[in-house]
Amino acid sequence: GAVVSQHPSRVICKSGTSVKIECRSLDFQATTMFWYRQFPKQSLMLMATSNEGSKATYEQGVEKDKFLINHASLTLSTLTVTSAHPEDSSFYICSARQGEREQYFGPGTRLTVT
Amino acid sequence: GQNIDQPTEMTATEGAIVQINCTYQTSGFNGLFWYQQHAGEAPTFLSYNVLDGLEEKGRFSSFLSRSKGYSYLLLKELQMKDSASYLCAPMDSNYQLIWGAGTKLIIKP
Repeated sequence: GAVVSQHPSRVICKSGTSVKIECRSLDFQATTMFWYRQFPKQSLMLMATSNEGSKATYEQGVEKDKFLINHASLTLSTLTVTSAHPEDSSFYICSARQGEREQYFGPGTRLTVT
Repeated sequence: GQNIDQPTEMTATEGAIVQINCTYQTSGFNGLFWYQQHAGEAPTFLSYNVLDGLEEKGRFSSFLSRSKGYSYLLLKELQMKDSASYLCAPMDSNYQLIWGAGTKLIIKP
């Protein structure tokens, strides 16, 4: 299957700071990228969908000013968690899709806000 | 609304066969995916069904009945490394995957 990378894999930051997470599709051009959040023992929660060159579409309840998404190219999307708080601590996972095919997931980023 | 129903947890024995059932309701349908997710890791793609019937891929097979809104994942010759959560994810009319909580599969020696 296709390869999607995510960086960093793990990050610890202080409350009030911002954290940027990168998601890259390594061997295909991703027309659409997705950002998910997953709390322990819970299902994946879609945060936003982004298409290259256009603004991300956020799910209900997700603050677009807090979770900034940039999909600048067909192989790179970034999620910036601004002014992070302890309740933002979670497992953030991106996925990438080419056309209407299956989604391939990155390895995830575990964010801990202290 | 959109809904997915899978058992929360199943237990099986190493070397045996297990079937994980999934029923779903979606707004439109563009196929159904099964993903495997080990604890603390991201999901990995297992299978995709868009037509009725059985798709076999090694030790894993997936079945779909669109009229019944039903799918199952069949795992044969179970190995300890198959202990994971299995996520049934139908794709709706907007080509969005709908996620449930998945089935946690525990393999015992």
